[in-house]
Amino acid sequence: EPEVTQTPSHQVTQMGQEVILRCVPISNHLYFYWYRQILGQKVEFLVSFYNNEISEKSEIFDDQFSVERPDGSNFTLKIRSTKLEDSAMYFCASSEGTSEYNEQFFGPGTRLTVL
Amino acid sequence: AQSVTQLDSHVSVSEGTPVLLRCNYSSSYSPSLFWYVQHPNKGLQLLLKYTSAATLVKGINGFEAEFKKSETSFHLTKPSAHMSDAAEYFCVVSGVRSSGSARQLTFGSGTQLTVLP
Repeated sequence: EPEVTQTPSHQVTQMGQEVILRCVPISNHLYFYWYRQILGQKVEFLVSFYNNEISEKSEIFDDQFSVERPDGSNFTLKIRSTKLEDSAMYFCASSEGTSEYNEQFFGPGTRLTVL
Repeated sequence: AQSVTQLDSHVSVSEGTPVLLRCNYSSSYSPSLFWYVQHPNKGLQLLLKYTSAATLVKGINGFEAEFKKSETSFHLTKPSAHMSDAAEYFCVVSGVRSSGSARQLTFGSGTQLTVLP
């Protein structure tokens, strides 16, 4: 069964460093998403991406964040200069479409720890 | 705007007894509702979804949920808990602000289900 994959599973970085989280969505999906879950808090929407551009983004997704689909398979989230409060589990998701019948499939997540 | 409230952060049941995980929602749009499950070190897996076709929704692993518009609820139930059901469960609401825009999922805070032998 096709699945969303994410690498790395755990990333440790120093405050101020740049990190890139990688995701491989399901191959025939057209919509891509990033969510994050700070420890003990809710899963929060960050951004959605379609047709090589951002479709929607939340207030969390400020100028420190960017997303890219550098080739036909990968979807990346870059944090330019990490802060302590960026420590969280980051989930990538993808869907075929945006109708009410289109499920978002989630990857296993990348745990980002900022020291 | 949309929001989800999961009324219990932890639920503990004995194996073989019924499970009830409670969820209330609010949405300004025509909502779709989901339950996702997360086992340790695994991704979020869809259990079931409500998309206006039928108010009683059956999902995987014997779970089902009933959409009650008058109560704005979407509680998750299972007649008989199994040890493998121990996990965290998320109630999720989804809506679109305009036609064609990507759906944004809004998650509840999660309910940790413990199944006792």
